[in-house]
Amino acid sequence: AQSVTQLDSQVPVFEEAPVELRCNYSSSVSVYLFWYVQYPNQGLQLLLKYLSGSTLVESINGFEAEFNKSQTSFHLRKPSVHISDTAEYFCAVRNAGGTSYGKLTFGQGTILTVHP
Amino acid sequence: ETGVTQSPTHLIKTRGQQVTLRCSSQSGHNTVSWYQQALGQGPQFIFQYYREEENGRGNFPPRFSGLQFPNYSSELNVNALELDDSALYLCASSKPTGVDTQYFGPGTRLTVL
Repeated sequence: AQSVTQLDSQVPVFEEAPVELRCNYSSSVSVYLFWYVQYPNQGLQLLLKYLSGSTLVESINGFEAEFNKSQTSFHLRKPSVHISDTAEYFCAVRNAGGTSYGKLTFGQGTILTVHP
Repeated sequence: ETGVTQSPTHLIKTRGQQVTLRCSSQSGHNTVSWYQQALGQGPQFIFQYYREEENGRGNFPPRFSGLQFPNYSSELNVNALELDDSALYLCASSKPTGVDTQYFGPGTRLTVL
């Protein structure tokens, strides 16, 4: 069984400040890792993913996440946030292999609120 | 390339009724997954369909069932609705080639009274 723990349910920050949203996972097999963002009353949008290779992955809008296998973590960071980054962020894992491609296991979510 | 669409946007039902939610997959995607997102929670995997067959299921009772059609649109059916079924239902489509990204629809908000 897999599980994902997002360590902060809410993170308030001021505009242009750095932010880190923490994610830890538990799995007995190798995993792929994802961060999704959900804006109010919308579905999930993929922010970035780690499949293999470089442990640091980046998104097009300035977010980055680093896969740390020894600490089983995949924390999301942004050096300078904008008001428009206000949303709920979900960390998710999936088996690396197998036939159940669709089974993402999500964390509880972290609500990021950026204040002016 | 069209995105994933879902209908209806909102739905209100009463306990014991049955409901059908619909999803149209992104063009070229033949795998669809359904998730239930209760208020304040992360999405929970219900099941996945590939080429019209269920090939993965989460911890949901049999009253949650699905269909996938040859055009890769799909349905989620829930029988004997319970109050706890109130949630946002999300579908996600993908291509089962390696690790392909799942693209989510906007969801259907189901309220059971």
